[in-house]
Amino acid sequence: AQRVTQPEKLLSVFKGAPVELKCNYSYSGSPELFWYVQYSRQRLQLLLRHISRESIKGFTADLNKGETSFHLKKPFAQEEDSAMYYCALRARYSGGGADGLTFGKGTHLIIQP
Amino acid sequence: DAGITQSPRHKVTETGTPVTLRCHQTENHRYMYWYRQDPGHGLRLIHYSYGVKDTDKGEVSDGYSVSRSKTEDFLLTLESATSSQTSVYFCAISRLAEGNTGELFFGEGSRLTVL
Repeated sequence: AQRVTQPEKLLSVFKGAPVELKCNYSYSGSPELFWYVQYSRQRLQLLLRHISRESIKGFTADLNKGETSFHLKKPFAQEEDSAMYYCALRARYSGGGADGLTFGKGTHLIIQP
Repeated sequence: DAGITQSPRHKVTETGTPVTLRCHQTENHRYMYWYRQDPGHGLRLIHYSYGVKDTDKGEVSDGYSVSRSKTEDFLLTLESATSSQTSVYFCAISRLAEGNTGELFFGEGSRLTVL
């Protein structure tokens, strides 16, 4: 079975400092990886998908298959980045894949002024 | 927001009572999901559906049942609520069946408190 690990429950950095939220996964096949963000008491919103190799709100994430990691990075943190961040994995099977995403436990990011 | 609405948004109930949460979508997606969110646990899959009357269990399905009699509605039922089921419940849809990538789109959540 697949597993997603986010080792930091809480990460506090100062405004303008670089941010790195760690995500490691275990899955024997070829995964699809995502980052979600949840602002206070709101719905989860998709932030990034590894397939797109995009940059959203200044965040980037690169899939490292050798280290089985998908860390989220931003060079200069802003106060509005304070939120819960979840890393998630979809196990890609040949037969379909309706069975959803596996989430990490989340990292609470606090940006201090 | 992928046209997902959840009801009720907030509910307080007593131990032993039945509770049904409703998820309604307007875009005719085949795949729908129920997750619960708890501090220290992240999101855990309860049940999912891959079509009308087609459902399957997720990681934490004990004490929960689901039904999907129409494409647009996915109901989650707690037959006899317990305090351990106090949580925030999120419904989600996937566009994977329509040939898209596999991310989920979430509703706004239903906060359930069992006293």
